[in-house]
Amino acid sequence: AQKVTQAQTEISVVEKEDVTLDCVYETRDTTYYLFWYKQPPSGELVFLIRRNSFDEQNEISGRYSWNFQKSTSSFNFTITASQVVDSAVYFCALSYETSGSRLTFGEGTQLTVNP
Amino acid sequence: DAGITQSPRHKVTETGTPVTLRCHQTENHRYMYWYRQDPGHGLRLIHYSYGVKDTDKGEVSDGYSVSRSKTEDFLLTLESATSSQTSVYFCASRRYENSPLHFGNGTRLTVT
Repeated sequence: AQKVTQAQTEISVVEKEDVTLDCVYETRDTTYYLFWYKQPPSGELVFLIRRNSFDEQNEISGRYSWNFQKSTSSFNFTITASQVVDSAVYFCALSYETSGSRLTFGEGTQLTVNP
Repeated sequence: DAGITQSPRHKVTETGTPVTLRCHQTENHRYMYWYRQDPGHGLRLIHYSYGVKDTDKGEVSDGYSVSRSKTEDFLLTLESATSSQTSVYFCASRRYENSPLHFGNGTRLTVT
């Protein structure tokens, strides 16, 4: 099966804590793309990052960082020094070479950052 | 961000009635998608289009049909709405096959 698993349904942290959101994927393809999206309480879906299967470099953008490990089929997302504005649902998604143009999403992780 | 407009934003309808949701994009993107979002299920693909008049089914296509007669418009039709189709529907588009999706703001549909 080719799918995305976000095992953490809900996470609650206190402001300034670091938090990691897990994403595990399954695909038989050697060429694939992984994505993270954020859905704040207002409901829109915001693109955060795309990573292709040939680029295992970790990515850092401000307080956000992503760790891509092909050996464990994981693409985890860490927020450093979390803030209340980080409260949202975060989705990991996968598209692969034989999926045509489809993008498969995980079920999402609800992150709540408390003041 | 791609200019993607969904209409209506909210709709309440009765079981058995037909419903059409509209998605309009101004970025000349080739690929367009309809997803539904339900608690515990994340985003599930209903139908997608890879060009004008070229569409294909997603994982939850039963009870839905789509049409794309112009690059900018992608319509989702529920021929006979059921309560199980109460959901939030998102339209998305992208320029290339593996570029990021850009989403509309969603349509909240309630079937009573």
